[in-house]
Formats: sequence, structure tokens, C-alpha cells
Amino acid sequence: QVQLQESGPGLVKPSETLSLTCVVSGGSMRTYYWSWIRQTPGKGLEWIGYIYYSGNTNYNPSLKSRVTISGDTSKDQFSLQVKSVTAADTAIYYCARGRTVPSLLDYWGQGILVTVSS
Amino acid sequence: DIQMTQSPSSLSASVGDRVTITCRASQSIKNFLNWYQQKPGKAPQLLIYTASSLQSGVPSRFSGSGSGTDFTLTISSLQPEDFATYYCQQGYSSPLAFGGGTKVGIK
Repeated sequence: QVQLQESGPGLVKPSETLSLTCVVSGGSMRTYYWSWIRQTPGKGLEWIGYIYYSGNTNYNPSLKSRVTISGDTSKDQFSLQVKSVTAADTAIYYCARGRTVPSLLDYWGQGILVTVSS
Repeated sequence: DIQMTQSPSSLSASVGDRVTITCRASQSIKNFLNWYQQKPGKAPQLLIYTASSLQSGVPSRFSGSGSGTDFTLTISSLQPEDFATYYCQQGYSSPLAFGGGTKVGIK
């Protein structure tokens, strides 16, 4: 059974960088797409971007200038960085696996709440 | 960017009811439409992919239909465990986008 687990700081100061890691267990990262999605009461579910196991990435244009997704298949994990955060980046962040195509998100992590506040 | 609009935003229903949720895309997305169920405090779970294919392990009372811009999720006989929020998501083009959600509550 594939499992994903997000980890990282739950509190980040404004203007700093948010960094999260997703560890994948129970399956290989090869041939899949690995996405980050966030959820807020105001904006709902927002796709941030994905990394393919080969290293190719694709980002939501609304966040592209501030976001980096990287992966380490040898450690079965991938990461998210969001630079210059503001209160608007406060959200529950999920990592998820895309099967066959990036959009078919068949396994999700439990989510991690990240609050941006001084 | 493609916008996804769900209706209604919420509904109340009883166990055993037939429930229909609609999702409309701002332009044609062919059949690249997925449905997810989310319960409070949990991550979304994939129910239906490519408009009408049932994800493994999902009960057959869930079904999806549609193509182009208009899609429907149907629960044929609502069960207690189905009270949740449902989201559609387009996978036709980047950026991926979700609908605003439909909360199914108890009448």
C-alpha cells in the first residue's frame, strides 16, 4: 500500500521560505508524477505543481515565480519550497501521486497545516 | 486557465436518496475530469477518473458521466459514510484546477 507523509515546520515567518518534504513508502517513485496541492477555506484546493520521476517539473503560473519542487528518488522523497511567503500562503499542504497522468491523483498524504505568521 | 464550477455548493439529503452533483468547465476538457471525496480532517480521495471510470475500491453506487464541459457525479443510494464534500478536477491542461466543492449534509 502506497503511503505519503508530509513533514516540515508548521509555522513560518512572513518573507521567509516554506520548506516541506514528502516521503513515499510502499512503492517506487518511478513512472509516476508527484504533486503538491494546498487547501484554504477561501481558495479551496489549489494545485501548486508536480515533478515527474525523471526530474521534469511543471508549476502553477500563479505561484511559479516563488515555487521549487525537487525530488530524490534514491530516498523516495520529494520537496516543496515556497519563497517570500505571506499570510496568503497559510494552508494545509498535501503531497499526492499522479498515476498515468499528472492529474490522476490516486494517493495523498494526510496533509500538514502551515501557518505564516510572525 | 480553465475554471471549474460546481453546483450546488451544498445540499441536504437522506440515507437512501439519489444525489446528483454537477460540474461545468469553462471550456471543453473532453473527458479529463476526476471526482474526489473529502471528509473532515482528511485528504481528498479519488472516486472517479476520466469522467466515468470507477477508482478501485470505490462502491458501485458512485458513478460519473459527461464530456466536453458538463459533468455529473451521481450517488445512487446515499449511505451514512457518503456525507462529505465532493470536488471535481480537470486534467485536460495545466494548471490543474478543482471545483469549489459540494458539501453533502444530512437532512
